Amino acid sequence: DQQVKQNSPSLSVQEGRISILNCDYTNSMFDYFLWYKKYPAEGPTFLISISSIKDKNEDGRFTVFLNKSAKHLSLHIVPSQPGDSAVYFCAANYGGSQGNLIFGKGTKLSVKP
Amino acid sequence: EAQVTQNPRYLITVTGKKLTVTCSQNMNHEYMSWYRQDPGLGLRQIYYSMNVEVTDKGDVPEGYKVSRKEKRNFPLILESPSPNQTSLYFCASSLTGQGGYEQFFGPGTRLTVL
Repeated sequence: DQQVKQNSPSLSVQEGRISILNCDYTNSMFDYFLWYKKYPAEGPTFLISISSIKDKNEDGRFTVFLNKSAKHLSLHIVPSQPGDSAVYFCAANYGGSQGNLIFGKGTKLSVKP
Repeated sequence: EAQVTQNPRYLITVTGKKLTVTCSQNMNHEYMSWYRQDPGLGLRQIYYSMNVEVTDKGDVPEGYKVSRKEKRNFPLILESPSPNQTSLYFCASSLTGQGGYEQFFGPGTRLTVL
């Protein structure tokens, strides 16, 4: 059973507009959520994270929102740039998981010039 | 430069021929992990290690072995590779303990088993 779900395999947006990537989870024990970005032929790189005690975390053009009641988080990229085109993975963990991350299947973002 | 390195980056082999993919990190991280990435399945954890001589199974451990004799190294061993182990493999490391310590990933090893 998938504990972290990214239901959109792909997303296409125009340069300069907002990109919104969504992630749902089922395990209410998760206490930390992370977003990773992956370019072809490279390993995933950490992008931004949020603790379950917060509902928003911002870092430059990237903002993550957490809605615990809905078990939903989203990554907003504003403004989107062609260099943001990549696969984005949502991940989660909880204290009892000893640092193990549970990943979603990823969403491929394409930002068109 | 802080990094996770993997070797080889690309490997084509035949069924049954034992192979080892090496992973090394220079950040003094306690935690290390192996993932495989397959189309439509995302990243799935194979094995992980909380520290030297401490390893445990992830979600898809069948057909793989690992060892952690030194803190910096975490090799992945395929004793008898099969075609269903054709995949893209990533090693990762992080600090350990409570909370969401971000994991640092290696560049990946693309393995093809014929």
